[in-house]
Formats: sequence, C-alpha cells, structure tokens
Amino acid sequence: GAGVSQSPRYKVAKRGQDVALRCDPISGHVSLFWYQQALGQGPEFLTYFQNEAQLDKSGLPSDRFFAERPEGSVSTLKIQRTQQEDSAVYLCASSLVVTTDTQYFGPGTRLTVL
Amino acid sequence: AQKVTQAQTEISVVEKEDVTLDCVYETRDTTYYLFWYKQPPSGELVFLIRRNSFDEQNEISGRYSWNFQKSTSSFNFTITASQVVDSAVYFCALRGYGNNRLAFGKGNQVVVIP
Repeated sequence: GAGVSQSPRYKVAKRGQDVALRCDPISGHVSLFWYQQALGQGPEFLTYFQNEAQLDKSGLPSDRFFAERPEGSVSTLKIQRTQQEDSAVYLCASSLVVTTDTQYFGPGTRLTVL
Repeated sequence: AQKVTQAQTEISVVEKEDVTLDCVYETRDTTYYLFWYKQPPSGELVFLIRRNSFDEQNEISGRYSWNFQKSTSSFNFTITASQVVDSAVYFCALRGYGNNRLAFGKGNQVVVIP
C-alpha cells in the first residue's frame, strides 16, 4: 500500500515568509508525528496527533510553529515568519496506534530559508 | 529522560567487508522499544527493526543482524558482506512505553566503497 507522502519535497522561503508543509499519512493510521532534522543530526520530535487531537506539542520550538490535523488524516505544519534557523528537513511519520506500533516515515520536506 | 548515543559518525568500508554500528541508550523506563532506521540519500527514513525491552533474543534478517544486550544498554547493528546499496545514514532510536516520541541518535554515515 501507499506509504507516508509529504509535499512539497523542497521549499525555499525568504526570511519572514510563512510556509505550509503537508503530510498524508498511511491510510488508517491513527497517530501522526512531526519531526525536525537539522543537517547532520538525528530527527527531533515536534508534535503528535491522535486522530484530530494534538496531544503533545512540547517539541515545537516557538509559537511561530503551528500544526493541525482537522479531519484526522492529512496534517499541515505551518511556520510563520520563517527564520534562517528554521532551515531543516521536516519529517512526518504515522503509526497505527501509538504505544506499541512502529512509526513509518515520509520522504520529508527540505526547507531552506534565505 | 531518554538518550541514544551513536559514537561513530562516519564509517567507510570496502565492499564485502562487515560493518558494526554501535548504539548505547539511556532510559528510566522498565519497558521500552528500540529501533533502527536507514536513511538513504533520498532522505526517507526506512524502518529496519524494532526490539522490545523484554525480548533480548538477537535477530538476523538476511545480511543484517542485531545484538541487544540489556546489561550494557546496547543495541548494535551489523551488516555482513556490505554492498554499495548499504551506503546510507543509520539511526538508532528509543521510545519508552507510553511515550509517544522517538529519541534518535545522531546517526552513522556508512560509506561502502566498491
């Protein structure tokens, strides 16, 4: 079946612009996660949804970062007034349930802020 | 707090050699899950294996094998008879029971030279 998909794959933004990154999880997966991966580092947790409920947003680095999953499937990560330090790969993952299941990742969106 | 340490950053091997990637973890949870993911140049994190803390049986899958030793908090990964297609970054990750986020190590860049 289809895996996790993300769009766009690459995004270049000027500092101060707003961006929106999309994630389509595996069909039927209840849980959805966003991670941020800086160059040469492992992914860092940003936020987690169970269906449409955002149950953990403790990893969001600032109030410029906002995520939503209004119908419990597709999710959007929005970054307002982008800064250079926001440049990273943003990875989305989904799992069937959360406490025991494996997270499956999408290809990521590489964001470059100039 | 959960922490994963992957000490070696880049490892180069000649094709057909074996390569072992070390992973040491820290957690206060008595039940936890360990993972290895592969990240090829395309960027997607590909799931390789999950190991539960209560199951210390080692596992072999084709040319891949994993050695889980709870006594030393290690979950090492060996690629036998490496091939050029094994060139990628490999991440070890940890999740505590009831915890929704994965904690990743910094990754091992494996370069297989033909």
